[in-house]
Amino acid sequence: DAKTTQPNSMESNEEEPVHLPCNHSTISGTDYIHWYRQLPSQGPEYVIHGLTSNVNNRMASLAIAEDRKSSTLILHRATLRDAAVYYCILSYGQNFVFGPGTRLSVLP
Amino acid sequence: SAVISQKPSRDICQRGTSLTIQCQVDSQVTMMFWYRQQPGQSLTLIATANQGSEATYESGFVIDKFPISRPNLTFSTLTVSNMSPEDSSIYLCSVEDFKPLGTEAFFGQGTRLTVV
Repeated sequence: DAKTTQPNSMESNEEEPVHLPCNHSTISGTDYIHWYRQLPSQGPEYVIHGLTSNVNNRMASLAIAEDRKSSTLILHRATLRDAAVYYCILSYGQNFVFGPGTRLSVLP
Repeated sequence: SAVISQKPSRDICQRGTSLTIQCQVDSQVTMMFWYRQQPGQSLTLIATANQGSEATYESGFVIDKFPISRPNLTFSTLTVSNMSPEDSSIYLCSVEDFKPLGTEAFFGQGTRLTVV
């Protein structure tokens, strides 16, 4: 499985946008870029995924670099409930391989 | 989407005993996945369970320690056998929904196991 690199932790103020980066320089042409998050004491939950084009949904936006070697998860207005560990995962089909992720703290 | 229920949600067990964790999905799925999350760590895949066949274990995990059953398309169990304190972790069940525009994974809430 292709590897991803994320910062260990990030901080944001409530109501401000958050940009969570992910590097994946060894991504293959068929790998989708997935983002999951794990709130305290819960299992991971889906946030967003994409292949080549930028993606938007009600939770977040995913900006994918033109060469696909990096991506950024954008939370447009962070809330306290967004405090979680965010995982950037590359996958085609089955087997999601979780890295350490980025622990996001949101300050009131 | 899929809704996954795990039982028990938490347990405290004596070393040397075994615990069976149940995973129930609200729809039929081909593959179910079991993960372990050690304290402060990320998720590690233990095995993939297909209905009607033996589970496929990842490197470092063996069937004698983590036997898995998959009797039908909506249910699976993971047993943690002969437990030691090192087995204290969160165990999570997962299923994946394969779609033309990418796969989405769904997770249970996890079973928090403490071995004393």
